[in-house]
Amino acid sequence: QLQLQESGPGLVKPSETLSLTCTVSGGSISSSSYYWGWIRQPPGKGLEWIGSISYSGSTYYNPSFKSRVSISVDTSNNHFSLKLASVTAADTTLYYCARHRINFDYWGQGTLVTVSS
Amino acid sequence: EIVLTQSPGTLSLSPGERATLSCRASQNVSTYYLAWYQQKPGQAPRLLIYGASNRATGIPDRFSGSGSGTDFTLTISRLEPEDFAVYCCQQYGASRWTFGQGTKVEIK
Repeated sequence: QLQLQESGPGLVKPSETLSLTCTVSGGSISSSSYYWGWIRQPPGKGLEWIGSISYSGSTYYNPSFKSRVSISVDTSNNHFSLKLASVTAADTTLYYCARHRINFDYWGQGTLVTVSS
Repeated sequence: EIVLTQSPGTLSLSPGERATLSCRASQNVSTYYLAWYQQKPGQAPRLLIYGASNRATGIPDRFSGSGSGTDFTLTISRLEPEDFAVYCCQQYGASRWTFGQGTKVEIK
């Protein structure tokens, strides 16, 4: 059974860079059929796709984040990572990683990141 | 960017009743690229319907999806207690993925 697990600091200071990692187990991140994505969800609100990466490193970003987001993949350690620069309080939210093609079929449990000094 | 608008925001129904949820897109969406998810408090979303009308693995047949173009519908034929949750639609197009804001199905 494929499992995804987010990890990273739960508290980030304003203007700094948020860094999260999603570790994949029970399957290989190198599958050519899938993308690996990041989605966030403010409390009580809807889901917002941030960006995705293929096993080969091709990236796709939501234009709303494009200037400050970076997603990378580490196939040797079977994980992928998110970096979001210049964070503000508006970036305080729950972050999910997920496997997808057209649809998102496997998700991590989510990790809450708070932006505060 | 295609915007998905869901209605109603909240649906108050009793167990056993029929639920009809709407997802309207700002531009045409291929049926192949429209999906529905269920999300319960404290949990990640779960894929219910893909390709507008195909149930994902393990999804009961009381869940059905329909629609085309800009108007899509998720129907729950008879609500079970475990169906009270938030439902959202999602589309793919031009290397971008977007979600609707969700409809909460609550117990009346």
